[in-house]
Amino acid sequence: QQQVKQSPQSLIVQKGGISIINCAYENTAFDYFPWYQQFPGKGPALLIAIRPDVSEKKEGRFTISFNKSAKQFSLHIMDSQPGDSATYFCAASMLGWDSNYQLIWGAGTKLIIKP
Amino acid sequence: DAGVIQSPRHEVTEMGQEVTLRCKPISGHNSLFWYRQTMMRGLELLIYFNNNVPIDDSGMPEDRFSAKMPNASFSTLKIQPSEPRDSAVYFCASSPDRLTYEQYFGPGTRLTVT
Repeated sequence: QQQVKQSPQSLIVQKGGISIINCAYENTAFDYFPWYQQFPGKGPALLIAIRPDVSEKKEGRFTISFNKSAKQFSLHIMDSQPGDSATYFCAASMLGWDSNYQLIWGAGTKLIIKP
Repeated sequence: DAGVIQSPRHEVTEMGQEVTLRCKPISGHNSLFWYRQTMMRGLELLIYFNNNVPIDDSGMPEDRFSAKMPNASFSTLKIQPSEPRDSAVYFCASSPDRLTYEQYFGPGTRLTVT
């Protein structure tokens, strides 16, 4: 119930195309769903996040779509650029037994944008 | 503003040696996390601290791993003795407090145990 399942494991998209990464969860107690972006040799960095009371959030070319009933959320990258090539992690957060918020991480998706 | 600082950035050591990884969180952040990243297992939370107190160390793989946070600006992750399967990138992350979702990651330490 604590897992976040992420797919695909890797993705190749042509420049200018739409990149879509999907995540699914089971625990309805999750109340925050961030996406992190990691470039080679760097640590992950927060890209965009959504709460379950909103179905969509857009920041520039990046959009999170959230389907509460299906317990799924996805990241869409519009007009994908070579600079978007990175590993993307979805995550889910909830208040833990210790009154601390913990992040439950997806396995990551390696995205390659071909010029 | 300085981000999370980790040292060393790269460490190569022989099996059986002691390894100490260091982390300086962002000033004013009260929560600190240690992660390990490998191709096989992805990003794993090893331990986290809140106000310098270890809260959950259930992710620490074995007794060979230990972590300390003697003050608000410094933490160490120690592996003794190290083994080849410990080879990974180790990340430290900090967060303003236990109720803040966002975590700020350091650049990581790439550990290779031969």
